[in-house]
Amino acid sequence: GAVVSQHPSRVICKSGTSVKIECRSLDFQATTMFWYRQFPKQSLMLMATSNEGSKATYEQGVEKDKFLINHASLTLSTLTVTSAHPEDSSFYICSAREGPDTQYFGPGTRLTVL
Amino acid sequence: QKEVEQNSGPLSVPEGAIASLNCTYSDRGSQSFFWYRQYSGKSPELIMFIYSNGDKEDGRFTAQLNKASQYVSLLIRDSQPSDSATYLCAVSSSGGSYIPTFGRGTSLIVHP
Repeated sequence: GAVVSQHPSRVICKSGTSVKIECRSLDFQATTMFWYRQFPKQSLMLMATSNEGSKATYEQGVEKDKFLINHASLTLSTLTVTSAHPEDSSFYICSAREGPDTQYFGPGTRLTVL
Repeated sequence: QKEVEQNSGPLSVPEGAIASLNCTYSDRGSQSFFWYRQYSGKSPELIMFIYSNGDKEDGRFTAQLNKASQYVSLLIRDSQPSDSATYLCAVSSSGGSYIPTFGRGTSLIVHP
């Protein structure tokens, strides 16, 4: 299957700082990438759909000014959590779409905000 | 609203048995169906996809799709303790821009 990388895998930061997470499709071009958040023992929650060269589409209830998404190339999308607070602590997972509909997930980034 | 339903479980089966995981969906226009496996603390991993009615086999895994009844299932033969994980069902359609809707997942426990 296709490979998606995510960096960093784990980050601990102080409240009020911003954190950038990178998502890369390593062996295919992805016009569409997705960002998810998952709290412990809960299901995946889609945050936004990121399309190369255009603005991201955010799901209802997700603050676009807090979760900045940039999809600058066909292989890279970034999620920046601005002014992070403890309630933003979660497992953030990106996925990239290969072909019309198959998604491959990155390994995830565990964010802890102190 | 498109819905994908899965029994949260846990489904407990003995090693060597067949594990049967089920998923129902509400959107009759759904075209693509996926099964992901997610180990605790890890991200989901794609294990099967199916587009047409019937069965699709890949090793110990068989996906079964019945569009008329709007369900898709995953069978795991000769279950191993390493199969213990949460299994997520995902469904997408062109009408939804192929953005998949995920079920909440079924926890599978394979005990020795």
